[in-house]
Amino acid sequence: EIVLTQSPATLSLSPGERVTLSCRASQSVSSYLAWYQQKPGQPPRLLIFDASNRATGIPARFSGSGSGTDFTLTISSLETEDFAVYYCQQCSNWPFTFGPGTKVDIK
Amino acid sequence: EVQLLESGGGLVQPGGSLRLSCAVSGLTFSNYAMSWVRQAPGKGLEWVSVIGESGGRTYYADSVKGRFTISRDNSRNTLYLQMNSLRAEDTAVYYCGKDRRGNWKYVGTLDYWGQGALVTVSS
Repeated sequence: EIVLTQSPATLSLSPGERVTLSCRASQSVSSYLAWYQQKPGQPPRLLIFDASNRATGIPARFSGSGSGTDFTLTISSLETEDFAVYYCQQCSNWPFTFGPGTKVDIK
Repeated sequence: EVQLLESGGGLVQPGGSLRLSCAVSGLTFSNYAMSWVRQAPGKGLEWVSVIGESGGRTYYADSVKGRFTISRDNSRNTLYLQMNSLRAEDTAVYYCGKDRRGNWKYVGTLDYWGQGALVTVSS
């Protein structure tokens, strides 16, 4: 099973700040990596697929990069609605796995 | 508008059974693989199972293999999860999700999710 590690576990930031979230895989997943955003009481929302492609309707302030084992999700300027938990997920090999999440909260 | 609506959750005793349903509208259901993903209270996400467009291919997490069965009825645009021999550790919100692409080779990215069904296993 491919294990995904996310860092940091929690980030406390202010609106307008730039955010960089990290996801590392225990073995190569090529570019088969997605990022999801989840708010309390809601299902996850797809942000990025195939490491760097924004899903439909996702604002341009969200971007993804990386391949192999190291990936990054960047939010160029935090909006108040961006405070949430972010999960990376690989679909290179079954079982598909999620990282433990990074919580971005308000400073 | 694409909509996924889960039903069938509830309280069940350990060792019991439950069947979840996910009614899908707003797309050609038979073109897409579908999945179940669960989230225990206050915890992260776990991919439970995935089924191909025609229902002929399935994967299961080791934690549910032999106890859960995923299926679909393309004539009813509905996805199912039959859960048997339930344990306390199966307590979670169960989400159904639609795969982004209609190709089994690239299965594993969910672009639409339901609101979730809570399953509680307790005596």
